[in-house]
Amino acid sequence: DTEVTQTPKHLVMGMTNKKSLKCEQHMGHRAMYWYKQKAKKPPELMFVYSYEKLSINESVPSRFSPECPNSSLLNLHLHALQPEDSALYLCASSQFRDRSVNYGYTFGSGTRLTVV
Amino acid sequence: KQEVTQIPAALSVPEGENLVLNCSFTDSAIYNLQWFRQDPGKGLTSLLLIQSSQREQTSGRLNASLDKSSGRSTLYIAASQPGDSATYLCAVIGNYGQNFVFGPGTRLSVLP
Repeated sequence: DTEVTQTPKHLVMGMTNKKSLKCEQHMGHRAMYWYKQKAKKPPELMFVYSYEKLSINESVPSRFSPECPNSSLLNLHLHALQPEDSALYLCASSQFRDRSVNYGYTFGSGTRLTVV
Repeated sequence: KQEVTQIPAALSVPEGENLVLNCSFTDSAIYNLQWFRQDPGKGLTSLLLIQSSQREQTSGRLNASLDKSSGRSTLYIAASQPGDSATYLCAVIGNYGQNFVFGPGTRLSVLP
């Protein structure tokens, strides 16, 4: 299995809703990432997990809450989002987070989030 | 701070042409460089990964080269096809565990 699987593919939520995005990989990668991508822009890093521990939070608002329950699974919990949070949310994984990243990053197909 | 640029920002060509997409980075202390393809509204598909000790990588009609000293990489697409239409992103990872830095991408349109 050489894929990163993201669910759901599309999500529409109101500003008072609570929802979660899910990301799964079975490649034995020990680093996992959340990126946010707005239209016609490159992906922007949000969070990095290394060995199931949060190692980087790029000053993301607290209405986004990441969770890494095990080495294969990464969640992004969403609460009280704003319309400007509408974007494509991408999950990625890599073998490790440090300089021994020999095989690059593998990205999922993303979740298209619309906040109404 | 590493900065990555890509030229051109957009490119429209007739089918069959050979293409060169350019990626430049400001800090040559990179560990590897990866080229991705992204279709509208979709995730990123890895095309080629070049480690810092390598000069080029090839996959089918794609060839990517890396010149670390000059801070440049090129992606060569031979005999372009309409199915190649997408945004192409390059990204670099630094020598010291820094995270990926993406370029802004080149939007390619290959006309039948």
